[in-house]
Amino acid sequence: GNSVTQMEGPVTLSEEAFLTINCTYTATGYPSLFWYVQYPGEGLQLLLKATKADDKGSNKGFEATYRKETTSFHLEKGSVQVSDSAVYFCALTTNTGTASKLTFGTGTRLQVTL
Amino acid sequence: GAVVSQHPSWVICKSGTSVKIECRSLDFQATTMFWYRQFPKQSLMLMATSNEGSKATYEQGVEKDKFLINHASLTLSTLTVTSAHPEDSSFYICSARGDRGGQETQYFGPGTRLLVL
Repeated sequence: GNSVTQMEGPVTLSEEAFLTINCTYTATGYPSLFWYVQYPGEGLQLLLKATKADDKGSNKGFEATYRKETTSFHLEKGSVQVSDSAVYFCALTTNTGTASKLTFGTGTRLQVTL
Repeated sequence: GAVVSQHPSWVICKSGTSVKIECRSLDFQATTMFWYRQFPKQSLMLMATSNEGSKATYEQGVEKDKFLINHASLTLSTLTVTSAHPEDSSFYICSARGDRGGQETQYFGPGTRLLVL
């Protein structure tokens, strides 16, 4: 079956520090990979995605590259801000269309301090 | 602003009572809605998938008579936890998938925290 493994949090960083949140996966077939972010009191929002090997997803200064050889999709940002404090979920799906189902990791809480 | 809303955001109930959670897509029609639950420090687990006007498809191990799902319209789905017990205490999250602005996307609600005493 499909599974996603994320590094355990919380991750605490000072503002402008470099961020890496590790994510590895196991899947049947060729999954699409996602990072979702959940800000306090809000629903999960799609942050970025990649649908095939070597694709790089990027948004709001965050990046993640689909590495098939290492089955990884690590999230990075060069300089975090206090406003980036949230919970980050790595996810995958091997389905397409309306029947697609997401498999999530456990989430990693990021706290950025001044 | 929010695209998918859930109500209530939190609820405390006595063991044996039933609790209904509503999920609404606010500015698009959701052809498919998903219900998840999340235990502390664990990932979101898909409970069921529902399409408007048809019966929900439950994941293995999820009791359909315990967790009643009604997707009555393209903007509303409800999850009813029947005869709730303390082990049902969890964080329930809905997600709505549909065409919004010409693109099919999936949006998540903010979640409902249920505590059964």
